[in-house]
Amino acid sequence: GDSVTQMEGPVTLSEEAFLTINCTYTATGYPSLFWYVQYPGEGLQLLLKATKADDKGSNKGFEATYRKETTSFHLEKGSVQVSDSAVYFCALIPWIGTASKLTFGTGTRLQVTL
Amino acid sequence: DTGVSQDPRHKITKRGQNVTFRCDPISEHNRLYWYRQTLGQGPEFLTYFQNEAQLEKSRLLSDRFSAERPKGSFSTLEIQRTEQGDSAMYLCASSSRITTTLSGNTIYFGEGSWLTVV
Repeated sequence: GDSVTQMEGPVTLSEEAFLTINCTYTATGYPSLFWYVQYPGEGLQLLLKATKADDKGSNKGFEATYRKETTSFHLEKGSVQVSDSAVYFCALIPWIGTASKLTFGTGTRLQVTL
Repeated sequence: DTGVSQDPRHKITKRGQNVTFRCDPISEHNRLYWYRQTLGQGPEFLTYFQNEAQLEKSRLLSDRFSAERPKGSFSTLEIQRTEQGDSAMYLCASSSRITTTLSGNTIYFGEGSWLTVV
């Protein structure tokens, strides 16, 4: 079945450091890929998405590129801020055009310190 | 755009009691989803509606759980005879059927309803 694997956290960085959170997936066909962010005590917010190979999703300084050859969708940010501290979830929908459910990774907690 | 709203945000109940959560999706969205999230885990799919029809249910949705979307707008999730293992955050989400736009097939989440069973 479909699955998403994320690097374990917590990831602790100093402010202005470079961030990478690894995400790999297993799915048949051409899934759509997503990053969601969850701040403490809140629901999930869509951060960015990509729907086909080599697409780059970007938002709020975060980027992720859909790499079909490595089945990866790593999240990156050039300079993190304390306000980026949250849990980040990588997720997929099997293929665009269906109402298929999201499959999530277990999440990676990011802690940014001054 | 008012987003997906859920009510109540927090619920503490005694074991054996029934609880009901309500979800109001984004107004033009005809697809509605329920997920459950426990501490330290990613959300897990429970069930999905297209309009008023419940099209898919997870094995996680035991007989004590029932979800409805009677008029294809808001939805309710009821848990009967709650158990301590039901303690979790219950997330509602919605999406549009239109897939030709950039927002198509993107699922938007509410802020969740926290359930604590004591």
